[in-house]
Amino acid sequence: EVQLLESGGGLVQPGGSLRLSCAASGFTFSSHAMTWVRQAPGKGLEWVSLISASGGSTHYADSVKGRFTISRDNSKNTLYLQMNSLRAEDTAVYYCAKDGGDMSVAYFYYGMDVWGQGTKVTVSS
Amino acid sequence: DIQMTQSPSSLSPSVGDRVTITCRASQTIHTYLNWYQQKPGTAPKLLICAASSLQSGVPSRFSGSGSGTDFTLTINNLQPEDFGTYYCQQSSTTPYTFGQGTRLEIK
Repeated sequence: EVQLLESGGGLVQPGGSLRLSCAASGFTFSSHAMTWVRQAPGKGLEWVSLISASGGSTHYADSVKGRFTISRDNSKNTLYLQMNSLRAEDTAVYYCAKDGGDMSVAYFYYGMDVWGQGTKVTVSS
Repeated sequence: DIQMTQSPSSLSPSVGDRVTITCRASQTIHTYLNWYQQKPGTAPKLLICAASSLQSGVPSRFSGSGSGTDFTLTINNLQPEDFGTYYCQQSSTTPYTFGQGTRLEIK
């Protein structure tokens, strides 16, 4: 069964840091780009970042650029999101998701086809 | 950034109805358009990718169409389990962007 399992969320003070993890299983992790999407309480979905299958290419939303870093360890089938200088507006459920296509097509042309259950991040003093 | 505008923002159809949700991109995204369904407290679920390709396991009453800037999600013969919020999302250019969502409440 294809599965993504996030962890690492929690309560952090403004200005603090947190690292989210997303453990993948049931598919060839190293063949797919991965992404993080977040959802603030009562709000819609916001794309955060993506990383290529190899990890050599990354992209970020302007709202997190310079503060968040996406990375992956293909030997451990794990995706990460290092979040620094956290702000109240970063409070959200963070989801990791898998690229529905592989390296032969454009990133996410086939959508985000598998999602984790989400991990909640609360930034508050 | 590419803006995605969905309409309507909410609707309350009856079981058996046909529902149409539209999504407009602020510039052409060809067919780099995906549709998701989200139920409260759960992760989004991919329904349609590449504008019109039905995801495996998704009932055939769901369909997608469009290209360029205008897209449509259609649900035929609406079922009680189809309640939730529907989002379109463009994957043509980063930053990827989602529509604001269409909340579907079964009457």
